[in-house]
Amino acid sequence: AQSVTQLGSHVSVSEGALVLLRCNYSSSVPPYLFWYVQYPNQGLQLLLKYTSAATLVKGINGFEAEFKKSETSFHLTKPSAHMSDAAEYFCAVRDGGGYQKVTFGIGTKLQVIP
Amino acid sequence: NAGVTQTPKFQVLKTGQSMTLQCAQDMNHNSMYWYRQDPGMGLRLIYYSASEGTTDKGEVPNGYNVSRLNKREFSLRLESAAPSQTSVYFCASSGGGTIGNEQFFGPGTRLTVL
Repeated sequence: AQSVTQLGSHVSVSEGALVLLRCNYSSSVPPYLFWYVQYPNQGLQLLLKYTSAATLVKGINGFEAEFKKSETSFHLTKPSAHMSDAAEYFCAVRDGGGYQKVTFGIGTKLQVIP
Repeated sequence: NAGVTQTPKFQVLKTGQSMTLQCAQDMNHNSMYWYRQDPGMGLRLIYYSASEGTTDKGEVPNGYNVSRLNKREFSLRLESAAPSQTSVYFCASSGGGTIGNEQFFGPGTRLTVL
């Protein structure tokens, strides 16, 4: 069975500071991993995904994430936070099998302080 | 190309009333999903349809039914609404296959059951 743990349901950073959102997963097979972002009153949209190619994945809006198998982690980072990054972020895992059932973490709300 | 569309956007029901949430996608995706989002609980899968003609229960199916009307449309029905079903409901679709295809989400339906 697959699962996702997001450490910290709320994270606050100052504008211009490093953003680090943590995600650890468990999976019995090599996983596919995703980060989604949800802006207020909207649906989720994909930020980036890992599908067993490069371990460092670059996404939209300057975000990136590194797959670390030894740590079973897929943390999301951005060097410099912008006010527009305030949103809720979800990590998700999908086993690399034939069916596309995805398990989502509980989400991390990012607050950016001016 | 509208992506995933959901109707209605908002709905208020009284306990015991029934309603159907509609979802359609125009991306020719095989797989479709219904999730509910509640504070502190992330997204929980209600039902999914791996391909046209098939549906399966997810994590929280009780009180819901679904119909995969055709490849484009996947509806969610509440036969007798309860206050515990107050939530935000998201429909999603994905392309299927064994590569790490991401899910595309609709804008959500905000349901309140009084």
